[in-house]
Amino acid sequence: KQEVTQIPAALSVPEGENLVLNCSFTDSAIYNLQWFRQDPGKGLTSLLLIQSSQREQTSGRLNASLDKSSGRSTLYIAASQPGDSATYLCAGQGGTSYGKLTFGQGTILTVHP
Amino acid sequence: ETGVTQSPTHLIKTRGQQVTLRCSSQSGHNTVSWYQQALGQGPQFIFQYYREEENGRGNFPPRFSGLQFPNYSSELNVNALELDDSALYLCASSFDGSYEQYFGPGTRLTVT
Repeated sequence: KQEVTQIPAALSVPEGENLVLNCSFTDSAIYNLQWFRQDPGKGLTSLLLIQSSQREQTSGRLNASLDKSSGRSTLYIAASQPGDSATYLCAGQGGTSYGKLTFGQGTILTVHP
Repeated sequence: ETGVTQSPTHLIKTRGQQVTLRCSSQSGHNTVSWYQQALGQGPQFIFQYYREEENGRGNFPPRFSGLQFPNYSSELNVNALELDDSALYLCASSFDGSYEQYFGPGTRLTVT
């Protein structure tokens, strides 16, 4: 059974700082790893999807990496801004016949001016 | 904007009642999944439908059921509501053969 853990549970940083969010998973047979952003009371916005054959993905100030052998993924946010404040969720997807996502509990990020 | 819509936005029900939540996906999204997100938790997989058939189920009792229609809309039905069913319900859809899932804004269900 896949279990996903995110560290830290909460993070508060000043504007402009570079930061790293961590995600670990127990089943290395993971197929894809997806990072999402969730604003309070809202749905999920997909940030980055790392497929099995890839090791990292980049979009603007965001970079996500995947190391299946160690069971880890990291989301790097460069030059953080107050608008980055949200909950960040990682989710693993196994190589099964359907695309069930197993989520971590999220990291609540606050970027203060 | 993911192109996935859900209705209603908020809903208040009484314990023991039944509820139907709706989701509308983009054209061509043959797969829809439903998730339950309790406050402060990550979403939990309820079930998935592919081409109108249930295609996988999480650890949820049979009183959680679903339907998927040919017009890329779907429903989540919950019978005999319990207080613990209070949560944000999210649907997610994807293209045939794609693993990337696109989420709707969710329906906030409160059971009193």
